[in-house]
Amino acid sequence: DTEVTQTPKHLVMGMTNKKSLKCEQHMGHRAMYWYKQKAKKPPELMFVYSYEKLSINESVPSRFSPECPNSSLLNLHLHALQPEDSALYLCASSRSGTGVNSPLHFGNGTRLTVT
Amino acid sequence: GDSVTQMEGPVTLSEEAFLTINCTYTATGYPSLFWYVQYPGEGLQLLLKATKADDKGSNKGFEATYRKETTSFHLEKGSVQVSDSAVYFCALIINDMRFGAGTRLTVKP
Repeated sequence: DTEVTQTPKHLVMGMTNKKSLKCEQHMGHRAMYWYKQKAKKPPELMFVYSYEKLSINESVPSRFSPECPNSSLLNLHLHALQPEDSALYLCASSRSGTGVNSPLHFGNGTRLTVT
Repeated sequence: GDSVTQMEGPVTLSEEAFLTINCTYTATGYPSLFWYVQYPGEGLQLLLKATKADDKGSNKGFEATYRKETTSFHLEKGSVQVSDSAVYFCALIINDMRFGAGTRLTVKP
């Protein structure tokens, strides 16, 4: 069982819809991440929150908007997405935001399809 | 910049065969190294890690040794099972995590 919980598991949305992906961890980790993974590719970093502050934004389009309400929760708000945004969206957490001894713990992802 | 290079897949083995998946890295400092495994329809699971040179990470029969002189972290298992079929990612951390391209392993009965 994963200790990082993501909802929903699957999401189908139109290009004009607004939806949100949710992620929760209760391991006391202080860094949380959003990754995007296309089929047969490694995960690509989108956002990093460290101590509830956005610390890394890897030039992600503004139609993706992250939010970190508290140290246990991470949301990704979606608006006006394109079909090429269809992918597996993975949330991860780590004990601290930087440093060589903080492996990432991943959730099982949300499979997003944009129609 | 920091990066990880993995051997190209896919890799297909028979049950009980020996597995090696090669991984080399390029880093400006002293990274920690990891292997993650991704089963179909799931996220990535940490398989093993090593934080300094000559460390050996091990888990579930898998092993990898941090070789600073060859900048490598090859994954090995002496006898694979059908249940080991998955995609394996080598990764490093200095400031943020960098993944290799992934190697798909299929084990046949």
